[in-house]
Amino acid sequence: DTAVSQTPKYLVTQMGNDKSIKCEQNLGHDTMYWYKQDSKKFLKIMFSYNNKELIINETVPNRFSPKSPDKAHLNLHINSLELGDSAVYFCASSSRPGANVLTFGAGSRLTVL
Amino acid sequence: DAKTTQPTSMDCAEGRAANLPCNHSTISGNEYVYWYRQIHSQGPQYIIHGLKNNETNEMASLIITEDRKSSTLILPHATLRDTAVYYCIVRVAGQAGTALIFGKGTTLSVSS
Repeated sequence: DTAVSQTPKYLVTQMGNDKSIKCEQNLGHDTMYWYKQDSKKFLKIMFSYNNKELIINETVPNRFSPKSPDKAHLNLHINSLELGDSAVYFCASSSRPGANVLTFGAGSRLTVL
Repeated sequence: DAKTTQPTSMDCAEGRAANLPCNHSTISGNEYVYWYRQIHSQGPQYIIHGLKNNETNEMASLIITEDRKSSTLILPHATLRDTAVYYCIVRVAGQAGTALIFGKGTTLSVSS
């Protein structure tokens, strides 16, 4: 069983489209995250949710809207996709907010043409 | 979080020990040292962490100097599958409202 699973693994789309990436964790963790890794390989935190509540929002454009229907799921919806949104997006989870041991998913590679 | 400094890249022969250094001279007393790695095309993977004492688990050993200003991650018998970017992160435990920040890390290349 995959602990943190993301779908889709690959996503190719046109500029201006809207797309979603889904994440699920079966670890019973309370806290989930979205990180973005750009072409230069820097990993940057975007959002974090604790038990369905947003606790971290790192100055991400409001075209990005995370949604957490329950504490096991954190989805990322992106409106009006731009070329600069091309990146690998990683979902992660931890037992509690501020924990430093995170379990990451395998990543979702988004390519905007 | 205290700043860390790691070499950009390192090479290691398969079967030999890989010793990855990390400098964290401004570490404060309540900050832990965490190590993660990211194998190509995969998500980051937690390896080990420590506060003062040396730590060992099934993946690696962590040696922290007595003054805590530097540490070394040791992979005792490196394999080709250990080729990855290794991140050293210094951070207080349980700091809600913030998240792990990854630097550039060290790219370890293990060759046969």
